[in-house]
Amino acid sequence: AQKVTQAQTEISVVEKEDVTLDCVYETRDTTYYLFWYKQPPSGELVFLIRRNSFDEQNEISGRYSWNFQKSTSSFNFTITASQVVDSAVYFCALSDYGMASGSRLTFGEGTQLTVNP
Amino acid sequence: DTGVSQDPRHKITKRGQNVTFRCDPISEHNRLYWYRQTLGQGPEFLTYFQNEAQLEKSRLLSDRFSAERPKGSFSTLEIQRTEQGDSAMYLCASSPSRGDYGYTFGSGTRLTVV
Repeated sequence: AQKVTQAQTEISVVEKEDVTLDCVYETRDTTYYLFWYKQPPSGELVFLIRRNSFDEQNEISGRYSWNFQKSTSSFNFTITASQVVDSAVYFCALSDYGMASGSRLTFGEGTQLTVNP
Repeated sequence: DTGVSQDPRHKITKRGQNVTFRCDPISEHNRLYWYRQTLGQGPEFLTYFQNEAQLEKSRLLSDRFSAERPKGSFSTLEIQRTEQGDSAMYLCASSPSRGDYGYTFGSGTRLTVV
């Protein structure tokens, strides 16, 4: 069975601080995808990144960066120089690689990030 | 707007009533998913369609729940004899069947059973 754990329920930072959101996953699959989504108060899940299990190269997109470490089954997300607009719930998710399964997503419980001015 | 649309955004119903939600996916996406999200939790998979075929259902989808996608386009999710435990956000997502596995989620339907 697949499982995603986001141990940090809530994080509060002051604007311009860097913040890292942790994600640890469990799967028996050898190939899989990992995702991060942002859920602002409006409720819509906004796709941030998809990473397949073959690619452990870290990725940077503007103020966002992701650190994938297969050895520790972690896929952590860092926001540099946080802004008030980054306040949201962030979800880490895992899907298997097989098309036949429909690639259902298994989500963590989310981390509520609050960035204070 | 070519995103995923869900209707209604909010629904308040009395316990025991039936409710139906609609999802219009991105037109070129042939996969459609329903997820349920309760307060403070991550979304949980309910069911999945490839075109009009319902290929997978979660154990969360009790007999009171039924989903359809009659022409492979929009989908409906019906809950019969609603219970207070059904109160949640119901999210729809769509994706293409090949290539990019990026899901696009709708804004959800928030159901409150009183």
